[in-house]
Amino acid sequence: DIQVTQSPLSLSASVGDRVTITCRASQSIINYLNWYQQKPGKAPKLLIDAASSLQSGVPPRFSGSGSGAHFTLTISSLQPEDFATYYCQQSYNPPFTFGPGTTVDIK
Amino acid sequence: QVQLQESGPGLIKPSQTLSLTCIVSGGSISSGDYYWSWIRQPPGKGLEWIGYIYYSGSTSSNPSLQSRVNISVDTSKNQFSLKLTSVTAADTAVYYCARVVHRWSGYDYYYGMDVWGQGTTVTVSS
Repeated sequence: DIQVTQSPLSLSASVGDRVTITCRASQSIINYLNWYQQKPGKAPKLLIDAASSLQSGVPPRFSGSGSGAHFTLTISSLQPEDFATYYCQQSYNPPFTFGPGTTVDIK
Repeated sequence: QVQLQESGPGLIKPSQTLSLTCIVSGGSISSGDYYWSWIRQPPGKGLEWIGYIYYSGSTSSNPSLQSRVNISVDTSKNQFSLKLTSVTAADTAVYYCARVVHRWSGYDYYYGMDVWGQGTTVTVSS
């Protein structure tokens, strides 16, 4: 199985901050990488697939980059509704493993 | 607008079989554009991909659960199901069903879960 790690596992930030979350795979997954946002008590929401392709309706302050085994999710200017947990997921090979999640909370 | 809704018992005993159904509304499960997936999340923990199924019945499951998992589809009822045998307390989780969009990358398919059910909590306890 492909292992996926994220860093940091948690971070505190303020509204307006630029936030970057890193995701690493245990092997090259080319760009078969998704990002999800999950708020407490809610189902995850797909933000980005193919490492950098923003889903319809997702604000452009979210962006994804990377290839191979190293990827990043960036929120250019954190908004109050962005405080949540973010997961990356590889879709290169089943099982489609998730990272452990990064919780973004209010500083 | 496609919606997914999980249903099933909220409490089951150890060693029993967990059975959940995901009803798809607002779209056809037989659309070749999608796979249909199960994911779970233990309390306070991260997400675990359980597996997916295509409308034809083709499946893929997580090897960590494969011997206990069966995912099936009923196109006549526009629903798909999960069975997990020999459950233990470690199977206590919120179980989600999700639609898996797959699009051609040029040499393979990208997969992403773009529509999710609200989740159903399953507790394994005697």
